[in-house]
Parts: sequence; C-alpha cells; structure tokens
Amino acid sequence: QKEVEQDPGPLSVPEGAIVSLNCTYSNSAFQYFMWYRQYSRKGPELLMYTYSSGNKEDGRFTAQVDKSSKYISLFIRDSQPSDSATYLCAMSAWNTGNQFYFGTGTSLTVIP
Amino acid sequence: DAGVTQSPTHLIKTRGQHVTLRCSPISGHKSVSWYQQVLGQGPQFIFQYYEKEERGRGNFPDRFSARQFPNYSSELNVNALLLGDSALYLCASSLLGGSTDTQYFGPGTRLTVL
Repeated sequence: QKEVEQDPGPLSVPEGAIVSLNCTYSNSAFQYFMWYRQYSRKGPELLMYTYSSGNKEDGRFTAQVDKSSKYISLFIRDSQPSDSATYLCAMSAWNTGNQFYFGTGTSLTVIP
Repeated sequence: DAGVTQSPTHLIKTRGQHVTLRCSPISGHKSVSWYQQVLGQGPQFIFQYYEKEERGRGNFPDRFSARQFPNYSSELNVNALLLGDSALYLCASSLLGGSTDTQYFGPGTRLTVL
C-alpha cells in the first residue's frame, strides 16, 4: 500500500466550476499537509499548507484535513483556465526522516 | 530574490554513463532535498542534506549519491545510468530541513537516458 493515494484524473471542468481534489493516506503520524501545483514541465509550486484537522482558506482555495479519516482535500472555487495544472498533495511526519511523501498528482483542465 | 536554481535544464545520456546535476538553494536556506519524478508520478524522495551532512535517504540504489557544499549548493550524481533513470530531477530547498519546514522546488533537470 502506498503511503499517499491520489486519484490521477484527468479532471476536466468548465470555467467557474468548483473543483474538489482529494488524497488519502495510511500513516497516522503525518502531521503536515501540503498542496502543490505543477505546470507542465515545471517544478511544483507550493499552494497551501496546514498542520491540523479542519479548514484553511486562501482566496479561491480551501484546504481541508480530516485526520480521523486520513483524508485531505483541496477545493478551488470559481475555477479559471489558469488553474489548469497537475495538483500534488504532500505530507510529512516527525518520524519519516524529514522526507515529504507525494501523491501521484491529479491533472486538472479548466475549459473556458 | 532568486528562487531555487538547477542546472542543466535538459540532459541526454546513454546507458552506463554518469551524470551530475546541480542545485543552488534560496539564499539563507541551509537544507537541500532531491526528488525524482517519473512522468505521470509524484516526486519520490532521494536525499536530504543539511549543513553538508546527509539527513535522509530514500529507497534508491547506491548508484545515486549526493553532496552539499559550504555555500549550501548541492550536487546529485548518478552512476551507471539505466533507461529507468529517465525522469525530472527536482531540487527543493528549505530553511532547516525539518519535517514541517516548507520546501521550495526548483524547475528541475529533465534527464533522458537512451
């Protein structure tokens, strides 16, 4: 079983739609949760991070963590064509040797 | 302020050859991590260095090695290249390299092994 599971998509939505991206994980020690955005042939860019269960909002983006279910989500409101990218979830724990564990990434296309 | 820089951008090698990839972290950051990203997959952790010491190693063969220099820049070396080593190699820098320390990625070096 992989440490982090993420539906690879691809996901295609019309402009203005609400997008929901999800990851599940197996290591209950994970404490730091991140979402990265990666454009084609570029390095990942940090979007949001959170330490605890609950919601964290930043503009059109909301990160949600449910530690009891080992499930994290990223919601994008009013999606724009410029949001078209691959979204990677990542997580780490005090007992994982400082390495980050990434999901496979979900490819998102927002159609104008 | 410059972000993480990596060189070269692209590289083509043949099987059995050796390759060296380079990374310069964000100014003030003391930790560098290396990741391998195969097409269609998420990044896989290779190494982490902090203050020139190896702090972590992922599940990669001994053909992969790295080092960090006094100016905190880093090199990743891969010997005896295999076709399966073709990937985007990403360098990430962080302030101290802790498990909750944000990592900032460079643009990557795309390695193709023929």
